[in-house]
Amino acid sequence: EAGVVQSPRYKIIEKKQPVAFWCNPISGHNTLYWYLQNLGQGPELLIRYENEEAVDDSQLPKDRFSAERLKGVDSTLKIQPAELGDSAVYLCASSYSSGANVLTFGAGSRLTVL
Amino acid sequence: GEDVEQSLFLSVREGDSSVINCTYTDSSSTYLYWYKQEPGAGLQLLTYIFSNMDMKQDQRLTVLLNKKDKHLSLRIADTQTGDSAIYFCAERKTGANNLFFGTGTRLTVIP
Repeated sequence: EAGVVQSPRYKIIEKKQPVAFWCNPISGHNTLYWYLQNLGQGPELLIRYENEEAVDDSQLPKDRFSAERLKGVDSTLKIQPAELGDSAVYLCASSYSSGANVLTFGAGSRLTVL
Repeated sequence: GEDVEQSLFLSVREGDSSVINCTYTDSSSTYLYWYKQEPGAGLQLLTYIFSNMDMKQDQRLTVLLNKKDKHLSLRIADTQTGDSAIYFCAERKTGANNLFFGTGTRLTVIP
């Protein structure tokens, strides 16, 4: 089966520009996560969706970040405007929320803000 | 503590065993996980353990769980150069469906 697909893999933008990341989860996975991974750190949750509902967005900086998961499948994460400190890897993961709730991660989208 | 803690670096010789340690935060965490991250890639699940178990073995991997001390370890037998990567410990806290990750341990295998 196809894994979690993310695009773009790499993005370089100037500060104050907008940027968007896209994620296609594993078919049948009802839960989708966006994690932020700074250099040398572990992933930190930005937002979690159960189907199309955002059930945990407490760590999402809502002044500049937004996310959506239309129809409970694909998701997009947007930053507008980007700041220098947003340079990081944005990881998408999905899971079927039962039992061990194993998260499967995509390869990530690496953002560089100049 | 508030964070999942891991030592940052570990170096071993090829063929030796590696032991990566982790201290987690919630004594009631239901599941604990080990993920592997290779350069430029996402995180790959290696194994997980349910909190009512003390040990789990899967081929070259052995996970030990000490709930009293909130300590988790991953032992890799016969470590190979392909095992060089960053290893993340993660916990699923009580009532949460997301995972909380440590800062990762960079394992370097010396040929």
